[in-house]
Amino acid sequence: DAKTTQPTSMDCAEGRAANLPCNHSTISGNEYVYWYRQIHSQGPQYIIHGLKNNETNEMASLIITEDRKSSTLILPHATLRDTAVYYCIVRARSNDYKLSFGAGTTVTVRA
Amino acid sequence: DVKVTQSSRYLVKRTGEKVFLECVQDMDHENMFWYRQDPGLGLRLIYFSYDVKMKEKGDIPEGYSVSREKKERFSLILESASTNQTSMYLCASSPQVPYGYTFGSGTRLTVV
Repeated sequence: DAKTTQPTSMDCAEGRAANLPCNHSTISGNEYVYWYRQIHSQGPQYIIHGLKNNETNEMASLIITEDRKSSTLILPHATLRDTAVYYCIVRARSNDYKLSFGAGTTVTVRA
Repeated sequence: DVKVTQSSRYLVKRTGEKVFLECVQDMDHENMFWYRQDPGLGLRLIYFSYDVKMKEKGDIPEGYSVSREKKERFSLILESASTNQTSMYLCASSPQVPYGYTFGSGTRLTVV
């Protein structure tokens, strides 16, 4: 699976949009982009995934560049409860099993 | 609400004990996983199973074994607990790709 690069940390103001970047320049055509988050002392939580089109659900939006080498997770109106570590992961469709977590981005939402 | 349930939130065991960590999912998922999470090392895959009675080693299987006798249940076994197995253990399940994983709340195991 392709590796990802994320900033170590970022701050966001409550009520504002949080834009979390992820670089996956070695992504191949059959690899999906997944985002998870982990709030302190809890298990990771699935947020969203995409292949090449932009995706939106009740939690977030995922914007994937046309060349698929990077993506951005958007939390439209960040709240204090969105403070967490956010993981960007790429995973091949052929690799049904393994999900490899990197260090992620520690997002702190401030009042 | 779909769930992955881990039997214990906190567990304290003695060195040399045989330890069982239980995980149950109610989503009829084919795949189940055990990870451990340690500060500075992130989540590391111990074992996974893609079907009943099937298992595959992950990145760090040494000192662990698993059992999956029923689709909904996946057990992690520490044959002889050691202090370096003190960690947060996370169970997850998923249907086939491209769907995401659902994680349990974790078991914080301390081996003394």
